[in-house]
Formats: sequence, C-alpha cells, structure tokens
Amino acid sequence: EVQLVESGGGLVQPGGSLRLSCAASGFTFSSYWMHWVRQAPGKGLVWVSRINSDGSSTSYADSVKGRFTISRDNAKNTLYLQMNSLRAEDTAVYYCAREGSYLDAFDIWGQGTMVTVSS
Amino acid sequence: DIQMTQSPSSVSASVGDRVTITCRASQGISSWLAWYQQKPGKAPKLLIYAASSLQSGVPSRFSGSGSGTDFTLTISSLQPEDFATYYCQQANSFPRGFTFGGGTKVEIK
Repeated sequence: EVQLVESGGGLVQPGGSLRLSCAASGFTFSSYWMHWVRQAPGKGLVWVSRINSDGSSTSYADSVKGRFTISRDNAKNTLYLQMNSLRAEDTAVYYCAREGSYLDAFDIWGQGTMVTVSS
Repeated sequence: DIQMTQSPSSVSASVGDRVTITCRASQGISSWLAWYQQKPGKAPKLLIYAASSLQSGVPSRFSGSGSGTDFTLTISSLQPEDFATYYCQQANSFPRGFTFGGGTKVEIK
C-alpha cells in the first residue's frame, strides 16, 4: 500500500524548534518530488516547501524561508522538515505530500501531524 | 506571486444537484491546475489534475475545465459523500511554488 506517515508534531514554545518526519512506503520514494503543506485550525491549505527527488533543489514559501529546512534521506525513505524560530502563526496541521509524476499535483498525502506553538 | 481566488466560499445544495465551483488565477497558468476534496479531520484527496484530467478512482460525476486564468470544477449530480470542502491549486509559478485557493465548502441544503 502506498503510504505516507508523518510524525514529530507537538507543543513547542515560541522561538523553539521541531523536526517533522514523513515515512514513505509502497512506492519508490527516491523517484518523486515531495512537499510539505500546512493547514491552520479552521483555515485553508498553504503550501510550505518542496524538494526534488535527489534532494539537490528546494524551495520555500516566503512565510517560512530562512526558518524551515526541508530535506530527505532516500536510503531511509523519509522526508523531513526542520522548523526553527517557531511562531504562533506556524500552528497548524502539517501534511507531507507526494507530487505525482507528470501531474504537477499532490496525489498521495499523509494523515498530518499537529504543531502547536504556544507559551 | 500568483494568487488563486475561489468562488463561492460556500454553497448549499441538495443531493442530485449540479454544483459548479470556480477558481481564478491572478495571471495565466496554462492548464497547471488541480482540484482537491477535503473532509473534516482528513487529508485532502486529489480529484482533478492538469485542469481537466480525472485522477484514477475518482467518480466521473466530477469534471474540470478551463485554461489560462479561469477554471471550473463541476459535480454533475451531488452525492451524500460529496459534502466537503474543495480547493484549487496552481503549479505554474517558478521556481515551482504551489498556491491553493481559499476553499469552497459544499454544505447540505
């Protein structure tokens, strides 16, 4: 079964750090571009970051640039999001998503992991 | 940055109704548009990609159309399981940033 499973969410104080993980299974992880998308409580979807298949190229939304770092370990079939200098407005469910080949769309999503930034 | 504007933000409809949701891009995006369905507490699900291509396993009552700046998602005959929030998403901007629309909630009338 093709699956993405996020972990690492939790409660963190403003200014703190957190690392999210996304474990992939059921497909050749190293062949796909991967993304992080977040959704604040009661709000819409917001694209956060993407990484190409071999990890050599990344891009970020302006709201997280310089604070978040996306990376991947293709040997471990795992995607990461290192989040530093966290702010209250980063509170959200974070989803990892696979960009489908030739789709320019996200065809597989994880279940999401909640990040709460609060003192 | 490309902005995506969906309308309406919510719609009330009955089972069997035809429902149309529109998405407008702030600049031309060719056909680089996708549609997703999201139910409460669940991850989004891809319905349509490349503006009009139906994702595998998605019922044929869902269809997409448009190119350039104006796009439409149509549900031809609303079913009980279709009550959800729908999002459009563009994938045209360089360097490969993606933008979602604000969402359209389809509610029971």
